[in-house]
Amino acid sequence: EAQVTQNPRYLITVTGKKLTVTCSQNMNHEYMSWYRQDPGLGLRQIYYSMNVEVTDKGDVPEGYKVSRKEKRNFPLILESPSPNQTSLYFCASRTVTASSYNEQFFGPGTRLTVL
Amino acid sequence: AQTVTQSQPEMSVQEAETVTLSCTYDTSESDYYLFWYKQPPSRQMILVIRQEAYKQQNATENRFSVNFQKAAKSFSLKISDSQLGDAAMYFCAYSFGPGNTGKLIFGQGTTLQVKP
Repeated sequence: EAQVTQNPRYLITVTGKKLTVTCSQNMNHEYMSWYRQDPGLGLRQIYYSMNVEVTDKGDVPEGYKVSRKEKRNFPLILESPSPNQTSLYFCASRTVTASSYNEQFFGPGTRLTVL
Repeated sequence: AQTVTQSQPEMSVQEAETVTLSCTYDTSESDYYLFWYKQPPSRQMILVIRQEAYKQQNATENRFSVNFQKAAKSFSLKISDSQLGDAAMYFCAYSFGPGNTGKLIFGQGTTLQVKP
């Protein structure tokens, strides 16, 4: 089954304790992205990657890191989480073509609480 | 900067009735795409319908259709014959045309309640 998976689905942590949220897709997609969802703000892009070893900042990158060492994986790293990073996080992926825009497939979301 | 605005935080509709969710956007681009996503309580993001800006014809997917007004930068979603399973948060989203970063810019969301 074609899908984007995220782990963990729920996480409660404390300020300053490094954490990683994993994202993996099995569709051989070139493009992957992380979004955060906050009430009244919709979803906002954190980081994206156009392919292996190619990453760039989105609209709200502060406090986050990413890496893309393999095509299927795109982990999100919070090296020193703070309470304002409490949010719902989504990973998404899509294929890239020159002639049309393709649907982004979203993972199931990770609910993160930073105390 | 491109922005997407959904001015209705909450809407309600009676089962089997029709409801329209509003969305406006701002862009200076001529080639772009617009989307409506559904987020049920499971939190999964589900693509409902999409519209390519260069196409005049409004997109339709079964009971879902859009009213795309390019000059007015308006992109509303009409749900006909509403069903209980349509209850969810709906997000309007915008993206640039082909060859760009593929970033989706989302509106704030509209929570739709369907009354039996």
